[in-house]
Amino acid sequence: EAAVTQSPRNKVTVTGGNVTLSCRQTNSHNYMYWYRQDTGHGLRLIHYSYGAGNLQIGDVPDGYKATRTTQEDFFLLLELASPSQTSLYFCASSDVTGAGEQYFGPGTRLTVL
Amino acid sequence: KTQVEQSPQSLVVRQGENCVLQCNYSVTPDNHLRWFKQDTGKGLVSLTVLVDQKDKTSNGRYSATLDKDAKHSTLHITATLLDDTATYICVVGDRGSALGRLHFGAGTQLIVIP
Repeated sequence: EAAVTQSPRNKVTVTGGNVTLSCRQTNSHNYMYWYRQDTGHGLRLIHYSYGAGNLQIGDVPDGYKATRTTQEDFFLLLELASPSQTSLYFCASSDVTGAGEQYFGPGTRLTVL
Repeated sequence: KTQVEQSPQSLVVRQGENCVLQCNYSVTPDNHLRWFKQDTGKGLVSLTVLVDQKDKTSNGRYSATLDKDAKHSTLHITATLLDDTATYICVVGDRGSALGRLHFGAGTQLIVIP
């Protein structure tokens, strides 16, 4: 069973604050993803990576940076948080040969006041 | 433009009843379609994946169909339980590998009452 963990699980910050969301997967997957989930929308891809040091832009990247430090760890950075970034954030991982199946973490709920 | 539409948006059923969730999509190409269950505030758990042009799968009380010609899928839940209360998300993959993109529906919120 694929294991993807996220921290923190909940975070509250203020407008203009600096936030880092962490994701770790322990299944040696090459690909990792960051999504946001908002009511009335499907999950939307922010950034993804296919290996340590690699970063690819997703569909809604504005206001977000990401860094993949190792195969296991993928971070999402909000350097000047805004209320519009209040959301539920999911990390996922997949193997390049896994027929497109992604394994999801439990999510981080971020509130920007 | 939304490429994966799910209906209904929400559904309330009594424990023991059956229900059907719908997914229509316009994603091209449509390599596969997967249904996820998401408990409130939790991550997505895969229920089943459909791959063939006209496909059917069964996983316990969950069964699903896919018709790629109609770009339509259904998820049937038989004899619902209180624990089936969750959001069910339809996801279409445009390739059969991590090189492809996943297209997510907004989900159907199912509430099972005693």
